[in-house]
Amino acid sequence: EDQVTQSPEALRLQEGESSSLNCSYTVSGLRGLFWYRQDPGKGPEFLFTLYSAGEEKEKERLKATLTKKESFLHITAPKPEDSATYLCAVQEGGNTGKLIFGQGTTLQVKP
Amino acid sequence: DVKVTQSSRYLVKRTGEKVFLECVQDMDHENMFWYRQDPGLGLRLIYFSYDVKMKEKGDIPEGYSVSREKKERFSLILESASTNQTSMYLCASSVTSGGTYEQYFGPGTRLTVT
Repeated sequence: EDQVTQSPEALRLQEGESSSLNCSYTVSGLRGLFWYRQDPGKGPEFLFTLYSAGEEKEKERLKATLTKKESFLHITAPKPEDSATYLCAVQEGGNTGKLIFGQGTTLQVKP
Repeated sequence: DVKVTQSSRYLVKRTGEKVFLECVQDMDHENMFWYRQDPGLGLRLIYFSYDVKMKEKGDIPEGYSVSREKKERFSLILESASTNQTSMYLCASSVTSGGTYEQYFGPGTRLTVT
């Protein structure tokens, strides 16, 4: 069964303290892995798509990497405005465009 | 710029009422999705549509129906609202071809059923 597991569930960092969020997945034939950011009370905002092992994508202080079994979202020198829930999802097989989401990691960055 | 809009940000309805949630996308996407999001349960797929007038059940379709008469619009209908349908409802759309399947989400509708 296709599955996505994110860890940790919650993460508290001091401003400037770099860290990584993990997304482990099991899917038959990965077609895409996606990262989203969600602020409280709002819809998820698309960040990155990764297609194959070894691929990396960057946006400001965020860098997403992908291996055959997991993805990491590295946050370098975070700021309080990076506080949010980060969701990981994988594309399900077939052409429906369905995604399987993880439970998310809630990041709090303290000044 | 990508744009998915939902008809209401907040909605309060009474038990037994019929509720319509509307979603519109301006990206000419084939696929549209309705999710609900609850604390501790994450995002759960209710229904999705991969073409006009086409629909498929997601993981939790009970108590809901959908309508897609035009490509840009996907409606979620709660036939007889119940308190356990109090939740955040999120609409999303994505393209089928071209190698990119990322979903773009609307702002969400916070529905309270009393």
